[in-house]
Amino acid sequence: DQQVKQNSPSLSVQEGRISILNCDYTNSMFDYFLWYKKYPAEGPTFLISISSIKDKNEDGRFTVFLNKSAKHLSLHIVPSQPGDSAVYFCAASARYDSGYALNFGKGTSLLVTP
Amino acid sequence: SQTIHQWPATLVQPVGSPLSLECTVEGTSNPNLYWYRQAAGRGLQLLFYSVGIGQISSEVPQNLSASRPQDRQFILSSKKLLLSDSGFYLCAWSRTANEKLFFGSGTQLSVL
Repeated sequence: DQQVKQNSPSLSVQEGRISILNCDYTNSMFDYFLWYKKYPAEGPTFLISISSIKDKNEDGRFTVFLNKSAKHLSLHIVPSQPGDSAVYFCAASARYDSGYALNFGKGTSLLVTP
Repeated sequence: SQTIHQWPATLVQPVGSPLSLECTVEGTSNPNLYWYRQAAGRGLQLLFYSVGIGQISSEVPQNLSASRPQDRQFILSSKKLLLSDSGFYLCAWSRTANEKLFFGSGTQLSVL
């Protein structure tokens, strides 16, 4: 059962505008959330993370927002650049759970057009 | 600094042939190691993880197996490949369980 869901398989945004990628999760035990960026034929690279004790974390053009009551997080990219075109994966984990690995969503393919 | 190496980058194999993908991590000791697969149109599926030498856990029943003969070496194998084994295979490591993963560059496997 998919515990992390990215319901939009693709998103197209104009250069300079904001990109908003969404992610929902079902496991209320998740307390650590991450975003990864993946280019074709490459491994995913870590982008940004947030702990459940926070509701926002910012790193340059990237901001992650966490809404625990809604079990929802989002990644904002402002301003979007053509180099941001990639697949973005949301991931979550319960740090003190018996599981050992991150749970990933299916990804959202972002296309930033000039 | 830590680095992860995964090879080969691409592989084309006939159905029924064996498989061996290797992954090594440098610059850290006793990492947690993982094999993921990204099939076309699907997300990242965890196949195996290992918390130590000789300790392998499988997440999904499948035609593949994994081994960890050394602390920083993780191998993905199959005795006989199926068409459905095609996909992009990723090795990853983390310092502890449920923490940030660092991925290798991946292997694109095509079974024909």
